[in-house]
Amino acid sequence: GAVVSQHPSWVICKSGTSVKIECRSLDFQATTMFWYRQFPKQSLMLMATSNEGSKATYEQGVEKDKFLINHASLTLSTLTVTSAHPEDSSFYICSAMAPWGFQETQYFGPGTRLLVL
Amino acid sequence: KQEVTRIPAALSVPEGENLVLNCSFTDSAIYNLQWFRQDPGKGLTSLLLIQSSQREQTSGRLNASLDKSSGRSTLYIAASQPGDSATYLCAGLVTGGGNKLTFGTGTQLKVEL
Repeated sequence: GAVVSQHPSWVICKSGTSVKIECRSLDFQATTMFWYRQFPKQSLMLMATSNEGSKATYEQGVEKDKFLINHASLTLSTLTVTSAHPEDSSFYICSAMAPWGFQETQYFGPGTRLLVL
Repeated sequence: KQEVTRIPAALSVPEGENLVLNCSFTDSAIYNLQWFRQDPGKGLTSLLLIQSSQREQTSGRLNASLDKSSGRSTLYIAASQPGDSATYLCAGLVTGGGNKLTFGTGTQLKVEL
């Protein structure tokens, strides 16, 4: 149980185009999901907290108009990188908060590698 | 602001060695600390989670300890195997932090035959 998927697993796009990444909790409902960004050989940096039915909360320095987040259902959050540029190339990972227990556990997706040419 | 760092950055050991990875954090209001494994190009696999009220957790050859007073957590890997080669990250969740995890930068481990 507690499986989180991401789609696509990798994407290559031209500069100026928009790319949508999906994050799904497959066997549980997640009212809260998180989006992270990871550069090569670096750790994960939290971009935003996605709450079902409300606006996402962005971390300082993350452009909300650049990285659009929609959490329209309890099992799906999407991250859209608008007008992508080469500097947006990165590994994007989502996580979903488990609704059970007290350990505030996040389950992570396998990541999406984005390459902007 | 919570900061989580890792020591060392990279480690290469021969198979069979016992090894220790360290993680330090600056905020004593930590709710829990988690150790993850990340294989190249992959997502994260949770290894161990230690609540602030606990001192250690064990799973198989892995043992993680938490010392809030010194701001350190240690991941001990016994009898290392080539399959243990990966990047290991620690992450802390701070009380009142909105369930946000703050990640350390990870230790790249290579276990050689």
